[in-house]
Amino acid sequence: GAVVSQHPSRVICKSGTSVKIECRSLDFQATTMFWYRQFPKQSLMLMATSNEGSKATYEQGVEKDKFLINHASLTLSTLTVTSAHPEDSSFYICSARSSQREGHYEQYFGPGTRLTVT
Amino acid sequence: GQNIDQPTEMTATEGAIVQINCTYQTSGFNGLFWYQQHAGEAPTFLSYNVLDGLEEKGRFSSFLSRSKGYSYLLLKELQMKDSASYLCAVLDSNYQLIWGAGTKLIIKP
Repeated sequence: GAVVSQHPSRVICKSGTSVKIECRSLDFQATTMFWYRQFPKQSLMLMATSNEGSKATYEQGVEKDKFLINHASLTLSTLTVTSAHPEDSSFYICSARSSQREGHYEQYFGPGTRLTVT
Repeated sequence: GQNIDQPTEMTATEGAIVQINCTYQTSGFNGLFWYQQHAGEAPTFLSYNVLDGLEEKGRFSSFLSRSKGYSYLLLKELQMKDSASYLCAVLDSNYQLIWGAGTKLIIKP
């Protein structure tokens, strides 16, 4: 159980275009989903926390107008990188926390999306 | 501020035992997690400690001392596939995960 999928796994786009990444919890309901970014040989960096049906909470330094997050249902959250630039190239990982297991706060991660902006 | 410290890199031999330490200073504490992350992949959950003591799960064990702000992950009978980064993360008073930078574990034959 506790499987999280992410799509696409890899994407290459041109500078100035937008890219949407989907994150789905397959076998559990996730009231809270998290979006991380990870540059090579660096640790995870939390970008934003999203709760189903409400606006995402962005970490300091993360532009909310550039990284649009929609958590439309208990099993789906999307991250849209708008007007992408080469410096946005990174490994984007989502995670989900189950709302059904009281006292359990572990996050389950999707497989990640490697974004390359040319 | 909130801070989690763990060694940057460790090397161990196949078949041996290795202990990866993690110390933390956070605003509140609601548990400590260990995750494994292979290069180019997302992290996978290994363990969760919220009470003091040792939790054993197969070849992996995790220990917590809340009074000392200290945890360790113990890996026994090391296998080459255990080569990965090991991330320590603390759930703070707001139930947000605070991540360490990770320990890269290199296993040599």
